[in-house]
Amino acid sequence: GAVVSQHPSWVICKSGTSVKIECRSLDFQATTMFWYRQFPKQSLMLMATSNEGSKATYEQGVEKDKFLINHASLTLSTLTVTSAHPEDSSFYICSAYRGSYEQYFGPGTRLTVT
Amino acid sequence: AQSVTQPDIHITVSEGASLELRCNYSYGATPYLFWYVQSPGQGLQLLLKYFSGDTLVQGIKGFEAEFKRSQSSFNLRKPSVHWSDAAEYFCAVGNNDMRFGAGTRLTVKP
Repeated sequence: GAVVSQHPSWVICKSGTSVKIECRSLDFQATTMFWYRQFPKQSLMLMATSNEGSKATYEQGVEKDKFLINHASLTLSTLTVTSAHPEDSSFYICSAYRGSYEQYFGPGTRLTVT
Repeated sequence: AQSVTQPDIHITVSEGASLELRCNYSYGATPYLFWYVQSPGQGLQLLLKYFSGDTLVQGIKGFEAEFKRSQSSFNLRKPSVHWSDAAEYFCAVGNNDMRFGAGTRLTVKP
């Protein structure tokens, strides 16, 4: 149990376009989901906390107009990278909180902006 | 503010040898501590966690970790490393506001 999926697993887009990444909790409901960003050979950096039915809370330094987060249901949160640029290329990982002080992580989405 | 330090960026051990990965944390209250493993291009898998109680925690894949409040440490150990253990290991602290260490890359020599 406690499986989290992400789609797509890998995406290439052209500079200036937008790309949407989905995060789903497959077998549990998650009122809270988290979005992380990971650069090569570096740690995970929390970008934002997504709460179902309310606006996401962004970490300091993360542009909320660039990284749009929507948590429309208890099993789905989406991250849209708007007007993507090459510096947005990264590995994006989501997690879902199921309680018991534990997050379950998705497999990640690799974004390459050309 | 909570933070995590993993002093070792890269560790190499021989297969069958013992392993200890270090983790030090800074946290204002009783910490919630985690160890995760990440294979290349993959998400994170939870190895073990500590919230309270017995300070020696057993996890999956033969890993264990010991919480030492006096040293603000939560080191990960394994008595005999397998080649499949080669991966990146992350220590994390927190709950809803989880913070990760920089990670330790483990290489296993045959």
